[in-house]
Amino acid sequence: AQTVTQSQPEMSVQEAETVTLSCTYDTSESDYYLFWYKQPPSRQMILVIRQEAYKQQNATENRFSVNFQKAAKSFSLKISDSQLGDAAMYFCAYRSGNTGNQFYFGTGTSLTVIP
Amino acid sequence: DSGVTQTPKHLITATGQRVTLRCSPRSGDLSVYWYQQSLDQGLQFLIHYYNGEERAKGNILERFSAQQFPDLHSELNLSSLELGDSALYFCASSGLQVNTEAFFGQGTRLTVV
Repeated sequence: AQTVTQSQPEMSVQEAETVTLSCTYDTSESDYYLFWYKQPPSRQMILVIRQEAYKQQNATENRFSVNFQKAAKSFSLKISDSQLGDAAMYFCAYRSGNTGNQFYFGTGTSLTVIP
Repeated sequence: DSGVTQTPKHLITATGQRVTLRCSPRSGDLSVYWYQQSLDQGLQFLIHYYNGEERAKGNILERFSAQQFPDLHSELNLSSLELGDSALYFCASSGLQVNTEAFFGQGTRLTVV
């Protein structure tokens, strides 16, 4: 089975600064998608950004961007101009294009934003 | 609003009891996933149904079972409840295409006392 690893249980960033959350995955598949989800204190799971494995270009959504290194199997999330509302748990997820289209989630990184 | 509806939002029950959690997926989504999230923990995958059929099982206890009905709603049954079963239980739905994300419900907060 595919594994998704988030090696940073906790991170902190000063308001208005930039922070990068790490995610690596292990797979032998060629067809897959990667996602970052945000879980604020409300516990609702919210999609932040997605990346297709076939695309070289890194996805960007406003202040959120990814650094997708396919050969290294790395998928980090960069948050620019951090805001207090960015404080949340962030989960990296992998969706297989083959094995029943399962989702595999990392263990999460808790982000604190310091005013 | 994700379009995924979970009921009830909160549930308090005693040890040894049985409860049923319900999930209505987004319109058109055939896949339903169940996850368990204990306090400050990650998402533990329980089970995946696709169009009424079980597709994959994760670390689901034998005391737990699930099904997906012809109208595509799903139920997660938890029996012989223990204190350690207290958690947030999420349902998510998705289309089968690999480029679609999982849409999550707001979760059911289960407290076993």
